[in-house]
Amino acid sequence: AQTVTQSQPEMSVQEAETVTLSCTYDTSESDYYLFWYKQPPSRQMILVIRQEAYKQQNATENRFSVNFQKAAKSFSLKISDSQLGDAAMYFCAYRSEDGGATNKLIFGTGTLLAVQP
Amino acid sequence: GAVVSQHPSRVICKSGTSVKIECRSLDFQATTMFWYRQFPKQSLMLMATSNEGSKATYEQGVEKDKFLINHASLTLSTLTVTSAHPEDSSFYICSARGGLGQETQYFGPGTRLLVL
Repeated sequence: AQTVTQSQPEMSVQEAETVTLSCTYDTSESDYYLFWYKQPPSRQMILVIRQEAYKQQNATENRFSVNFQKAAKSFSLKISDSQLGDAAMYFCAYRSEDGGATNKLIFGTGTLLAVQP
Repeated sequence: GAVVSQHPSRVICKSGTSVKIECRSLDFQATTMFWYRQFPKQSLMLMATSNEGSKATYEQGVEKDKFLINHASLTLSTLTVTSAHPEDSSFYICSARGGLGQETQYFGPGTRLLVL
């Protein structure tokens, strides 16, 4: 069974600085998707970034980028120029892609990010 | 991104009553919907997966008679907590995804249930 591990329960970053959140996963599959979701205090889950495993190029969305190391099964999230609004719980998630439409997301335990002004 | 709505956002009920939570995909057809439960400062726990027109698939340990899920259309799924008790108090989140090729799941804003 696949598992997702986030080893940092809490992180803190100064406003305008850069922070990296770690995520590792375990799978025997070759085709899958990886996601980072953000859950601010409102508790609305928001998609931050998505990575397809077959793509070697790291995904980027504005100030958010990932370092996807498939062989190492690592998928870290880098937030550049951190803003106060980035403060949230961040969840890493895995979803297999074996052609089934109901493949479910497997979440890590989350990293609570605090942004200091 | 796509929008998923959830109603109500908060509900307080007496023990023994049933509560229905609606989840709607507003701008896409949701072939699959997911229901999660989240305790404070914890990750999301998947309760069940439902496909439109089919019976829901429940995760191990989730009582299907307690948590009734209906996915009657491609834009609407409902979760009914039957005979609610205080231990059912939690934050419930729905999520929706389109058909094959739609990789991303979009989440509703959640429903906070408090059973007195």
